[in-house]
Amino acid sequence: GNSVTQMEGPVTLSEEAFLTINCTYTATGYPSLFWYVQYPGEGLQLLLKATKADDKGSNKGFEATYRKETTSFHLEKGSVQVSDSAVYFCALIPRSGGGADGLTFGKGTHLIIQP
Amino acid sequence: NAGVTQTPKFQVLKTGQSMTLQCAQDMNHNSMYWYRQDPGMGLRLIYYSASEGTTDKGEVPNGYNVSRLNKREFSLRLESAAPSQTSVYFCAIKITGVGYGYTFGSGTRLTVV
Repeated sequence: GNSVTQMEGPVTLSEEAFLTINCTYTATGYPSLFWYVQYPGEGLQLLLKATKADDKGSNKGFEATYRKETTSFHLEKGSVQVSDSAVYFCALIPRSGGGADGLTFGKGTHLIIQP
Repeated sequence: NAGVTQTPKFQVLKTGQSMTLQCAQDMNHNSMYWYRQDPGMGLRLIYYSASEGTTDKGEVPNGYNVSRLNKREFSLRLESAAPSQTSVYFCAIKITGVGYGYTFGSGTRLTVV
């Protein structure tokens, strides 16, 4: 079946530090990959996505590259801010459907940025 | 989270009570989903609907029923609530074509006592 594995945290960093949140996946074929962000008390917002190998998604200073050879989609940001404190979810959807429709999520990584 | 509206935002139920969570979209997309979010578990798919009049089970459907009576609305019903159903529930729609992705509602926080 499909699955997503990500570091769960909490991950605590100082402001302006470099961020990496690891995400690896298992899926049939070549899925589309997503990062969602959830701020406290809110729903999920799409942060970035990549739909094919070697694609790089980017938004708000965050980046992630679809690596087929390592089945990974690690999230990075060069200089984090306190406002980036949130829970980050890596997710996939298989290209061909392959069973129940809908996103498969990792368990989420709680990121805490200290001033 | 413009485009997907969930009601209510908060609800407390007693064990054995029933209730329906409502979800409505204003974006005219076919596919709609219900997820639950639990600490340390991420989001898990309960049910989904690929089009008006069709529904299918997801990963954790037990204890729930759904209805897709029209293209706009997809409701989730708990017939006899249990404490294990205490969770945050999210409705989502799939955006196809340009802007491909999934848009989520703001969630319903349900507590069963």
